[in-house]
Amino acid sequence: DTAVSQTPKYLVTQMGNDKSIKCEQNLGHDTMYWYKQDSKKFLKIMFSYNNKELIINETVPNRFSPKSPDKAHLNLHINSLELGDSAVYFCASSHSGISGANVLTFGAGSRLTVL
Amino acid sequence: SQQGEEDPQALSIQEGENATMNCSYKTSINNLQWYRQNSGRGLVHLILIRSNEREKHSGRLRVTLDTSKKSSSLLITASRAADTASYFCATDAGTSGSRLTFGEGTQLTVNP
Repeated sequence: DTAVSQTPKYLVTQMGNDKSIKCEQNLGHDTMYWYKQDSKKFLKIMFSYNNKELIINETVPNRFSPKSPDKAHLNLHINSLELGDSAVYFCASSHSGISGANVLTFGAGSRLTVL
Repeated sequence: SQQGEEDPQALSIQEGENATMNCSYKTSINNLQWYRQNSGRGLVHLILIRSNEREKHSGRLRVTLDTSKKSSSLLITASRAADTASYFCATDAGTSGSRLTFGEGTQLTVNP
């Protein structure tokens, strides 16, 4: 009954490889996000989708490609992994109600280590 | 650019004491939120305060917002060892397609 679930929780891979992280939410939210948290715990938004449409695309290398097959899923594919991609990636979701308040529900995170 | 900045970066107190964390931001906001992150876990929403509110309470949490100074504080009263976590403020500009912009976080350690 996990609200926002992401897989895998841990990912260790070599430089140059391609990897994907999957995210699913069962909250009925219409907006989903990917955030990156670095080693200093700084959390930065990468992408946001609302009803499968990309609405936020921060300055992220085009090696990162999100994909939202439906509003309950938001996956992140990373090509040609680099050492600097090592971080914890968090998926989150929210409901964009008329109140205008985006309260986020986060997944547990996916720790990516690039060797 | 980073919206929220928090201080202190780290705070260590004894159980039973109060903990106060501060957050400053740069641009106009619709609301400000506080989140907690336990080690190795995702962030959990604690409390939201709107730009037209000055103070809000939830259990042992008290949040204040001063929009003239563009700052907020989170007070945790009667702290417990289980309150040990990182605390983040996040600002929401409230416009269409807006995003939460997080501060750098305060690492709170409550010693038993």
